[in-house]
Amino acid sequence: SQTIHQWPATLVQPVGSPLSLECTVEGTSNPNLYWYRQAAGRGLQLLFYSVGIGQISSEVPQNLSASRPQDRQFILSSKKLLLSDSGFYLCACPSPGRTYEQYFGPGTRLTVT
Amino acid sequence: AQSVTQLGSHVSVSEGALVLLRCNYSSSVPPYLFWYVQYPNQGLQLLLKYTSAATLVKGINGFEAEFKKSETSFHLTKPSAHMSDAAEYFCAVSPHPNTGNQFYFGTGTSLTVIP
Repeated sequence: SQTIHQWPATLVQPVGSPLSLECTVEGTSNPNLYWYRQAAGRGLQLLFYSVGIGQISSEVPQNLSASRPQDRQFILSSKKLLLSDSGFYLCACPSPGRTYEQYFGPGTRLTVT
Repeated sequence: AQSVTQLGSHVSVSEGALVLLRCNYSSSVPPYLFWYVQYPNQGLQLLLKYTSAATLVKGINGFEAEFKKSETSFHLTKPSAHMSDAAEYFCAVSPHPNTGNQFYFGTGTSLTVIP
């Protein structure tokens, strides 16, 4: 079975500062990867997904960006954080052999002050 | 297009009472349906799933859900609530086949269990 690691677990950043969140996956190769954001009271919002190295699709226009430099690495970035970027960020990939099912990482709690 | 509606953002039940969390879906193709549970500051954990087999699906921790096509519903139930069931619950839909980016989540229901 696969394992998703997210780093860091928690982060407090001032408005206007840059952001880099990392997601790495073990136990599977060439997975589809997803970034979700969970804001208070708003459920899960799909931000980006990637079907392979260098391939990124954006679901919601915003000041965030994503990159996939390696097969099992997915990075979420921002050049200048906004207060509205606060939330819980989750990385996900399909469960092995079941592309219709999402498996989630432990998440990163981001607080923008 | 697919979408999910969870009725009730907050549900409170007494310990030992029936848990009922509601989920209605909209899908233009036969859906796969899921319930996920999230404990504070943790990722989502799959609770159970419907993938076009039996309409009554049993999951972990004593939860079950019934797929009702005529009602476009997939409500989550548990006969007797336990304190450890307090968490956020998300219903989700995925079309089949899934080309890779089509997962739709409800806004979640926060379950409180009163001792």
